[in-house]
Amino acid sequence: NAGVMQNPRHLVRRRGQEARLRCSPMKGHSHVYWYRQLPEEGLKFMVYLQKENIIDESGMPKERFSAEFPKEGPSILRIQQVVRGDSAAYFCASSPRGFPGEKLFFGSGTQLSVL
Amino acid sequence: QQQVKQSPQSLIVQKGGISIINCAYENTAFDYFPWYQQFPGKGPALLIAIRPDVSEKKEGRFTISFNKSAKQFSLHIMDSQPGDSATYFCAASTGETSGSRLTFGEGTQLTVNP
Repeated sequence: NAGVMQNPRHLVRRRGQEARLRCSPMKGHSHVYWYRQLPEEGLKFMVYLQKENIIDESGMPKERFSAEFPKEGPSILRIQQVVRGDSAAYFCASSPRGFPGEKLFFGSGTQLSVL
Repeated sequence: QQQVKQSPQSLIVQKGGISIINCAYENTAFDYFPWYQQFPGKGPALLIAIRPDVSEKKEGRFTISFNKSAKQFSLHIMDSQPGDSATYFCAASTGETSGSRLTFGEGTQLTVNP
């Protein structure tokens, strides 16, 4: 069974460009969570999605950031007009049923570097 | 109230020693407390978890101790090995959490010297 797949592993963007991060959940999982990890910090929740729906975006910055999880294809985290402060590791996790206390399965992350 | 505070930030232990990492929380509605282990270049992976109806849970060399009245929980790694060198995150969630969302501590970088 393939785990949670994220790509690209590394992404370099110049200030003002757009970054698109992709996440394919584990087979059979329809709940996806995005977390951001800044250097020397823990994982900060950004957004929780089910197929075609955003359930909780309370951790998402109000501007420049958006996420989607279409009926077909991977979940996408999109960052428009990137700034240096967006440089971080972005992790996607999935769970099968979305119940509180359910195990989260994480991908290996996308390291975004903004020049 | 949604924060989970973790200490120490880094820890160095000799092979065979005991590693202890502590976490504290404020939100009494938290009812699920997992620990995740992260190796460099990898995503976090669930190590062990506890619910507040028990005070201790042991899986192999890993033990969670839970003190509900003090709102603290800790991870103990017995007979620490160099292969345990990783970053450890405590986390918490409530039954009211959206989905399986977790609130994580800041992480502890553990180094086990041979």
